[in-house]
Amino acid sequence: KAGVTQTPRYLIKTRGQQVTLSCSPISGHRSVSWYQQTPGQGLQFLFEYFSETQRNKGNFPGRFSGRQFSNSRSEMNVSTLELGDSALYLCASSRDGDSYEQYFGPGTRLTVT
Amino acid sequence: AQKITQTQPGMFVQEKEAVTLDCTYDTSDPSYGLFWYKQPSSGEMIFLIYQGSYDQQNATEGRYSLNFQKARKSANLVISASQLGDSAMYFCAMREDYSGGGADGLTFGKGTHLIIQP
Repeated sequence: KAGVTQTPRYLIKTRGQQVTLSCSPISGHRSVSWYQQTPGQGLQFLFEYFSETQRNKGNFPGRFSGRQFSNSRSEMNVSTLELGDSALYLCASSRDGDSYEQYFGPGTRLTVT
Repeated sequence: AQKITQTQPGMFVQEKEAVTLDCTYDTSDPSYGLFWYKQPSSGEMIFLIYQGSYDQQNATEGRYSLNFQKARKSANLVISASQLGDSAMYFCAMREDYSGGGADGLTFGKGTHLIIQP
């Protein structure tokens, strides 16, 4: 069974640009969560999608958005990039919203210059 | 106040020794889940073990066990017979309102960098 995949793995963008990251969950999993990891703030919850609906959202500005498609694949978008958005973005999938086992992908490392 | 506190930024342990990684948490929700993840230098988060707030017994998964002391709000990870491959960052995390269907995302601690020495 294939694990969670995230594309791209590495990305370099310039301040002010926007970026879209993609996450494909494990087959059969319907819940996808996104996390941001930085050296200063650690791991922080961005949002969670379940059956194409955003169920929960962390404390991030509106520049951070996401969506989930009918095949459970999810994308997150960051608009008007700032230097502080440089981070490892991790996606996690679980079978359903109540499943305690969240399986993480390898992450996308975003560098904003 | 921090919801998850890991007081050990780094630890050096001799191979084959047992390791205890500390984690305390803060919540007023009676229903929650506690997790430990391992993050090697590659960056991927690896699920190790889970403990539900209503579970009566401490969770165990192979060489990993979770020492759950609910009254103290403590959820320490114990790794028995450490191996060189155990060197990594270890994160304690909590998910509140777990069984109610309205679970929030995971709240992580700052992590402990564990180095196993030969």
